[in-house]
Amino acid sequence: EVQLVESGGGLVQPGGSLRLSCAASGFTFSSYWMSWVRQAPGKGLEWVANIKQDGSEKYYVDSVKGRFTISRDNAKNSLYLQMNSLRAEDTAVYYCARVSDSSGYYWPYWGQGTLVTVSS
Amino acid sequence: DIQMTQSPSTLSASVGDRVTITCRASQSISSWLAWYQQKPGKAPKLLIYKASSLESGVPSRFSGSGSGTEFTLTISSLQPDDFATYYCQQYNSYHGTFGQGTKVEIK
Repeated sequence: EVQLVESGGGLVQPGGSLRLSCAASGFTFSSYWMSWVRQAPGKGLEWVANIKQDGSEKYYVDSVKGRFTISRDNAKNSLYLQMNSLRAEDTAVYYCARVSDSSGYYWPYWGQGTLVTVSS
Repeated sequence: DIQMTQSPSTLSASVGDRVTITCRASQSISSWLAWYQQKPGKAPKLLIYKASSLESGVPSRFSGSGSGTEFTLTISSLQPDDFATYYCQQYNSYHGTFGQGTKVEIK
């Protein structure tokens, strides 16, 4: 069974940093693209970042470019999101998601999410 | 970037109703479209991929259609478990854009 478990969320001041982690199990982690998707309170879903199987390709939504970094450790079956220069508008539940195993960047598997609150 | 527009934003319906949600893309995305269902406090659940392919385990009352720029999600007979918010998502590029969501409420 595919399992994705996020951690690392919490309250941080504007301008601060936070690192999210996602522990993956139940599949061969190194074989799949992975993603972060977020959802601000009461709002819709927003894709944040994708990373290729070997970490050689990374893509970001414009609003986080230069501030967020997606990375992975295939030996530890883990996905990360380093978030710097955080803003109030980054407040959201952050989901780790596994890309499909067919040709398409959609997400059949999601974690339960971790809440990031940016506030003074 | 490709923009996705869903309509309506809110839909009131009764159990047994046929429900249709529309999603429009700002440019052609072929059939690279997925639909998700989300309930409060839960992660999204994949329903449909490649515009019309039903994800394993999803009831057959859900169906998707369309290509290019216009797509629909249809629930043939609304069940109590279907009251939720539905999102479309394009994956024509590495940037996966979502629609703003359609909330299906009890009438």
